[in-house]
Amino acid sequence: DAMVIQNPRYQVTQFGKPVTLSCSQTLNHNVMYWYQQKSSQAPKLLFHYYDKDFNNEADTPDNFQSRRPNTSFCFLDIRSPGLGDAAMYLCATSRDRGRGNPQHFGDGTRLSIL
Amino acid sequence: AQKITQTQPGMFVQEKEAVTLDCTYDTSDPSYGLFWYKQPSSGEMIFLIYQGSYDQQNATEGRYSLNFQKARKSANLVISASQLGDSAMYFCAIYGGATNKLIFGTGTLLAVQP
Repeated sequence: DAMVIQNPRYQVTQFGKPVTLSCSQTLNHNVMYWYQQKSSQAPKLLFHYYDKDFNNEADTPDNFQSRRPNTSFCFLDIRSPGLGDAAMYLCATSRDRGRGNPQHFGDGTRLSIL
Repeated sequence: AQKITQTQPGMFVQEKEAVTLDCTYDTSDPSYGLFWYKQPSSGEMIFLIYQGSYDQQNATEGRYSLNFQKARKSANLVISASQLGDSAMYFCAIYGGATNKLIFGTGTLLAVQP
C-alpha cells in the first residue's frame, strides 16, 4: 500500500545530542511537511519542501533543520535537542500545495529527551 | 490570518448513535479548504474528509459528513452510527491560499461508550 513511513516510532536521545528523524513516502507526492505536536496540543508546522524548494516557518527555531535528498525521503535534524523539544514529530505529504490537496500523515516519531 | 475554533474539548457518545463535532473558522481568503483529521491515542493523524469553500454540496465519506454553513463560517463533522473505534481526538483544519499551510484547531476528544 502507498503510504508515509516514519522511523523510528520512538526515539530517545540525550540533552544536546544531535538526532535525525526519517520520513519516506511511496505516494510520489511533491510536497513533504514536518510538524511538531506537543502533548494535548495541535500540530505545528515547522517547514515543508515543495519539490526541492525548502520553506521554513518564521518561528521555527534554528535548531531544527531538514533535508530532502530525493522525492521519497525527507529528514528532520535537531542539532542540539533541549528538554522543550520532547514531542511527537509528524511527517506529512500532499500531491501539491493548494486547498484541494489533503495532507497524508505518517504514524509519527515520539521523541524523548533525557 | 486564519483561525479554527473547536469549542468542545471533550464529548461522550453512546455506541451506534450519531455525534456532531463543532468547528468554526475565520479567514480572509476567498478560496480555502476545510479538513477533518482523526488522531487515535497511538498518534497517527488520519485524514477523514475535505470541503472546498466553493463546493455547493456538503462532503460525505462513509459514516462521516461535513455540515458546511459558509455564511456562519461553520464546518461541523457528523459521525453517524458511532463505533468504539471512533474514540480519538478529532482536529478541524483550514488551508488558505494566502498562507499555503494547514492551520489546526485545538481538537475535540471523543469517547464512544458501549
